[in-house]
Amino acid sequence: SQQGEEDPQALSIQEGENATMNCSYKTSINNLQWYRQNSGRGLVHLILIRSNEREKHSGRLRVTLDTSKKSSSLLITASRAADTASYFCATGGSNYKLTFGKGTLLTVNP
Amino acid sequence: DSGVTQTPKHLITATGQRVTLRCSPRSGDLSVYWYQQSLDQGLQFLIQYYNGEERAKGNILERFSAQQFPDLHSELNLSSLELGDSALYFCASSGDSGGSGPPLHFGNGTRLTVT
Repeated sequence: SQQGEEDPQALSIQEGENATMNCSYKTSINNLQWYRQNSGRGLVHLILIRSNEREKHSGRLRVTLDTSKKSSSLLITASRAADTASYFCATGGSNYKLTFGKGTLLTVNP
Repeated sequence: DSGVTQTPKHLITATGQRVTLRCSPRSGDLSVYWYQQSLDQGLQFLIQYYNGEERAKGNILERFSAQQFPDLHSELNLSSLELGDSALYFCASSGDSGGSGPPLHFGNGTRLTVT
């Protein structure tokens, strides 16, 4: 069963715009991570936010975490065509496995 | 390049057959994870090994088995294959035992097609 659920399932924007994706989860977590997957390729780790953190930045990425609402958001600023990919949230607990959502397909149009 | 190597990249086989997928983790990583990705189920955790020992088990069928060898490479064996086993199989590695859900480094996967 999936732990994280991303929203929306698909998002289409123009180059230069910001993209926001949301993730909701159900159980307590140690951390929440975001990954990117280009079509047919392996997932690439983007950013990890711990359960005691509320916001984290990495380059054009901004992640927030609200443990009271069991939700997270990923903001990509000034998007580029190369950002076109599927984005997954994954929750890390104490049970040794990272559980992934079904992803948001982001299309950035030039 | 994640440093995780998976072979083969593509595999086409018939129902009832048995295949072996191979994974070499990133240099220095002791943990290996196997995931199955399909359109309907998404990314499903199968199994994790840490330094040769099974550490966690997920939605792995009894027809599937895995092991991690002393040189830390891992193999996933799929037997009595069914059409529904067609999927992308990913290997990932991490540097620690995985207790808190560390960042994973993924290979580019093996695409299995069962006909």
